[in-house]
Amino acid sequence: DIQMTQSPSSLSVAVGDRVIITCRASQSINNFLNWYQQKPGKAPKLLISGTSNLESGVPSRFSGSGSATAFTLTISSLQPEDLATYYCQQSSSTSVTFGQGTKLEMK
Amino acid sequence: QVQLVQSGAEVKNPGSSVKVSCKASGGTINSYSIIWVRQAPGQGLEWMGGIIPVFRSTNYAQKFQGRVTIHTDESTTTAYMDLTSLKSEDTAIYYCARAVVVTGVPYAFNVWGQGTMITVSS
Repeated sequence: DIQMTQSPSSLSVAVGDRVIITCRASQSINNFLNWYQQKPGKAPKLLISGTSNLESGVPSRFSGSGSATAFTLTISSLQPEDLATYYCQQSSSTSVTFGQGTKLEMK
Repeated sequence: QVQLVQSGAEVKNPGSSVKVSCKASGGTINSYSIIWVRQAPGQGLEWMGGIIPVFRSTNYAQKFQGRVTIHTDESTTTAYMDLTSLKSEDTAIYYCARAVVVTGVPYAFNVWGQGTMITVSS
């Protein structure tokens, strides 16, 4: 199975910060990389699909990039409502895997 | 807009089984990928397995092989996840999610159920 490794596992942030979360795959997944946001008590929400495609309604401060085995999620200017846990997920095969998550906490 | 509506919370005894349902309200499931993901308290998302009904294909995480069965009933647009031989470590929120299938694999899970809390305790 393809392993997904996210870093960091947690991050202390302030409003206005530029935030970068990294996700690495154990083998090439082409561009089949998605990002989700999960807030406490809620189901995950798809933010970005296919490495860089922003879902409808997702603010443009979110962006994704990368290829093959290395990917990033960037929040250009953190807003209070962005405090959440973020997960990457690969779908290059029918055996789906998630990263372990990155929790954003206020400084 | 399709919604996935899951069955309610349950408390189960160790060694028993649980069946969680996931109904697609306002849409279909047959041509999509449906997965089940669980989240233990304070932990991350763990993929358990998935099904693509139109391909009649299922696959399961090795960790759950032999204990989990995922199936669908297209007539009621409902997916099900059966988990047997429950242990306290199975206490978690269980989510279903739906994705469009692209070149035979699920693309991205853009519709999620609300989650079902399963507590395993004697």
